[in-house]
Amino acid sequence: AQRVTQPEKLLSVFKGAPVELKCNYSYSGSPELFWYVQYSRQRLQLLLRHISRESIKGFTADLNKGETSFHLKKPFAQEEDSAMYYCALKKGGSNYKLTFGKGTLLTVNP
Amino acid sequence: SAVISQKPSRDICQRGTSLTIQCQVDSQVTMMFWYRQQPGQSLTLIATANQGSEATYESGFVIDKFPISRPNLTFSTLTVSNMSPEDSSIYLCSVEDREQLFFGSGTQLSVL
Repeated sequence: AQRVTQPEKLLSVFKGAPVELKCNYSYSGSPELFWYVQYSRQRLQLLLRHISRESIKGFTADLNKGETSFHLKKPFAQEEDSAMYYCALKKGGSNYKLTFGKGTLLTVNP
Repeated sequence: SAVISQKPSRDICQRGTSLTIQCQVDSQVTMMFWYRQQPGQSLTLIATANQGSEATYESGFVIDKFPISRPNLTFSTLTVSNMSPEDSSIYLCSVEDREQLFFGSGTQLSVL
């Protein structure tokens, strides 16, 4: 069965510092990986997906199949990045049933 | 993007009672999903609800406990039956639209 691990429950950085939220997965096939974000008092929403290879709000994430990782990175954190971040996996070819990690609460301090 | 209205937003219920959560989407969608998020835990998929067919439940979830209706392409309900304190969670409705999931605002359920 597939599994998503986010080793850090909490991550605190200062504004302007680089940030990396870790995500590791286990799945024997070809997965699709996503990052979802939930800002305070807002609903969960998609931040980015690996197949798009895009940068959203300055965040990027690269799928590393050798290390089975999909870490989320941003070179210069902003206070408005403070939120709960969830890494999620979809089995290749399946419908949109996602397996989520437990989430990392990012706090960016002024 | 799909806009989802979910209600109630929160409720406090007595043990042994049932609560029905409603999910309304502003567009027609094929697949709707119900997730549970227990305190400090990840989102766990309860079931997939497709219009015109029985819901498909994930391991550990059964229809008697979480009956789901999907009468049309824009609406679904999830009932949490015979509740116990262990059912205290956030319940989330989501839909797949244009290759991504959209989520409702969630129902925070507390069972006394």
